[in-house]
Amino acid sequence: QLQLQESGPGLVKPSETLSLTCTVSGASISGSSYYWGWIRQPPGKGLEWIGSIYSSGSMYYNPSLKSRVTISVDTPKNQFSLKLSSVTAADTAVYYCARQLAGRPLDAIDPWGQGTLVTVSS
Amino acid sequence: QSVLTQPPSASGTPGQRVTISCSGSSSNIGSNTVNWYQQLPGTAPKLLIYSNNQRPSGVPDRFSGSKSGTSASLAISGLQSEDEADYYCAAWDDSLYNYVFGTGTKVTVL
Repeated sequence: QLQLQESGPGLVKPSETLSLTCTVSGASISGSSYYWGWIRQPPGKGLEWIGSIYSSGSMYYNPSLKSRVTISVDTPKNQFSLKLSSVTAADTAVYYCARQLAGRPLDAIDPWGQGTLVTVSS
Repeated sequence: QSVLTQPPSASGTPGQRVTISCSGSSSNIGSNTVNWYQQLPGTAPKLLIYSNNQRPSGVPDRFSGSKSGTSASLAISGLQSEDEADYYCAAWDDSLYNYVFGTGTKVTVL
């Protein structure tokens, strides 16, 4: 059974870089027709797609975050990571990692990790 | 501001049918498939409907999806208390080059 688990600091200072890792178990990140991505949800608000990456390195980013986001994949460790630079309080959110189906160019997201709350505060 | 608009809330009594709309445009719903996600309180979202009207394994057939033009709908028939959740539509947007989520609808079982 495919499972995803986010890990990383729960508190980040303003202007610093938020870094999270997603560990995938139950399936290989390499190959198939899936991308691996990140979605976030500010407290009490809706969902925002951040971006997704294929094991080969092909990636798609939310244009509104593109200048600050880096998503990378570590196939030997079966992990992928998110870095978000120059964070502000507006980046406080629950961050989810997930698998995303490839298709024109991206499609359904399934499954999702349990999510991790990242708070931006000094 | 999301480009996919949903009503903020919907409600019904147990056993009733509830429908949630998702309004988009030609660059998203009009040209790509729609997915629906259910988010139970305090949990991660879960894929409920994919490719407009397909249910993943394990999703009850009380849930159904449809699409017409630039709008989509999620119907819950035989509403149950465990259906109380937030529901989000989503689709790829060709103009924004972005996977966009709807504004979300909170379903309450009265």
